[in-house]
Amino acid sequence: KAGVTQTPRYLIKTRGQQVTLSCSPISGHRSVSWYQQTPGQGLQFLFEYFSETQRNKGNFPGRFSGRQFSNSRSEMNVSTLELGDSALYLCASSLAQNTEAFFGQGTRLTVV
Amino acid sequence: DQQVKQNSPSLSVQEGRISILNCDYTNSMFDYFLWYKKYPAEGPTFLISISSIKDKNEDGRFTVFLNKSAKHLSLHIVPSQPGDSAVYFCAAKRLYNNNDMRFGAGTRLTVKP
Repeated sequence: KAGVTQTPRYLIKTRGQQVTLSCSPISGHRSVSWYQQTPGQGLQFLFEYFSETQRNKGNFPGRFSGRQFSNSRSEMNVSTLELGDSALYLCASSLAQNTEAFFGQGTRLTVV
Repeated sequence: DQQVKQNSPSLSVQEGRISILNCDYTNSMFDYFLWYKKYPAEGPTFLISISSIKDKNEDGRFTVFLNKSAKHLSLHIVPSQPGDSAVYFCAAKRLYNNNDMRFGAGTRLTVKP
């Protein structure tokens, strides 16, 4: 069974641009959550989607948004990029809302 | 607000010995706890979890202990192997509020041959 797949693996963007990251969950998993990892703040929860609906949201500005499609694939979007958005963005999927989450390898975003 | 804390940024142990990684939490609403291991350039890998109705969960060389009154959990690895060298993250959540997990800052474990 394939694991969680995130694309792209690496991305360089300029301040003010927007970016879209993609996550394909493990087959059969319906919950997808997103995390941001930075050296200073560690792993921080962004949001979670289940059955195409956002179920939980972390403490991030509205520039961070996401969505989930009917096949459970998810995208997250960051608009008006800031230097501080440079981070590893991790996606995790789980079978349901109360089971363990499995992470992808992440997308390394660098904002210059 | 740091709801989950791992106060030891690093730990070094000899191969074959026990590794004990500690984690404290402040939110008494957390009822499910997980440990993840992370190698560089990879996503975290799920290791073991424990529900608040238990005080111990074992899986092979890995055992997690939970002390609810102290809001403390620990991960024991016995015996430690060089391949266990990685960063270990403790995470906590409300089971039915699901994958909104709060993570500790991580502990870098080095197992020396």
